[in-house]
Formats: sequence, structure tokens, C-alpha cells
Amino acid sequence: QSALTQPASVSGSPGQAITISCTGTSSDVGSYDHVSWYQQHPGKVPKVMIYDVNERPSGVSTRFSGSKSGNTASLTISGLQAEDEADYYCSSYTTSSTQVFGGGTKLTVL
Amino acid sequence: QVQLQESGPGLVKPSETLSLTCTVSDDSISNYYWSWIRQPPGRGLEWIGYIHYTGGAIYNPSLKSRLTISVDTSRNLFSLKVRSVTAADTAVYYCARFVWSMSKRFDPWGQGILVTVSS
Repeated sequence: QSALTQPASVSGSPGQAITISCTGTSSDVGSYDHVSWYQQHPGKVPKVMIYDVNERPSGVSTRFSGSKSGNTASLTISGLQAEDEADYYCSSYTTSSTQVFGGGTKLTVL
Repeated sequence: QVQLQESGPGLVKPSETLSLTCTVSDDSISNYYWSWIRQPPGRGLEWIGYIHYTGGAIYNPSLKSRLTISVDTSRNLFSLKVRSVTAADTAVYYCARFVWSMSKRFDPWGQGILVTVSS
């Protein structure tokens, strides 16, 4: 199975909105609404921010939202804050009952 | 609140077997699936595999031939073995609970343990 495709980096200014894409295939992203997004600050443990495409765990800011169209899922962060600067990874369930991660996107808050 | 803690050697010699354990606290392992994920230094996350408390395991196809994930419900822990390791297996290894129901996600994660493969 191949890793999902994410942009290596994105950036935005405080207060702006940014979107990170996650492109897979009809064997993963395109087949199920089981895409999740993880935030990882340097040296820290990944934390789930979105699951099942657009569900937020308790305690996660409403500034984080997710969507999906075809084989591509997206994470949008609105009202960008300095604390949002981190690496973001998408993950998808697959038709083989396995999991696959994206390569990760480094978000820089300018 | 469930907590997970990885343990095992931080240094393994090439061609030997990497063995790690994840101890689950404040929740019974007899629910959910339990997973291993790794992250080479400076690189992205790679899913290794997961196991159900009944013992059924599913592995990353690219690693499957070298892997064994097992569960010990009496001690509330699960384990990972990676055989014939090379420098490419150097990584931070995380264990995580995998919620496998109507929804799916890795939550929570252990703190991670750095394993270096070197002679």
C-alpha cells in the first residue's frame, strides 16, 4: 500500500484559514469515511484532531474541520493561531482492513 | 482515562529481533484493537499493525514477513516483535488504542520509545 499524498508544507498568517489536502485512492480514502487527522508538535506525541472525515473529539477546537471529495480529504484550520504550528498527518482505513498514513505536512504560522 | 506505556530495549543489533511491550492502564485490553506505529527520526508516521484482544492481528503488508504482534489479556498488555532488523528500523515506536467500531481512529497514544538499530 502506498502512503497518502500530502503537501510537504503549508503556511499562513495568524487569523487566516489554511487547508491541507490528503490524496489517496479508491482503495482507501475513496472507499470509506474513515479518514483521521493527527497533529504533532516537535518532540511530542501525535494527537487526533479529526476522525471519520469531519468528527471532532471532545476538547478539540471548532477551528479544526474536515471534509472529503472522492479520493481526496482535507483539513481546514480557521482563525490560525501560533499554537497551530505543527506537523499534520492524515490516515485512512483501507479495503484490506489496514491503515495508511500520509507523508505529513509541516504547518508554519507566519 | 486509558494510558499506554511502551517498554523495551533502546538499542538492538542489526539482524536481531526488536521486542517491545505496551502496557495498558485504566482500561481493559479486552475491548478495542491495539496498534503499533513508528516514526523514523525526522520522518513521517508508518502504521505497523494492530491486534484484537482475541488475538487476531492485521499487519502492514510491507513489513508483514518480519512482524509478530501478540496480546496478553491476563497482564493487560500487547507486544511487538520485528525480526531481522536493519538501520532502517530505527524509529520512535508508538503504541496506540485503535477505536474500531462505527468510527475509526488512533486514540490515545503512548509516549513513544526510541529504538536504535546499531552494532
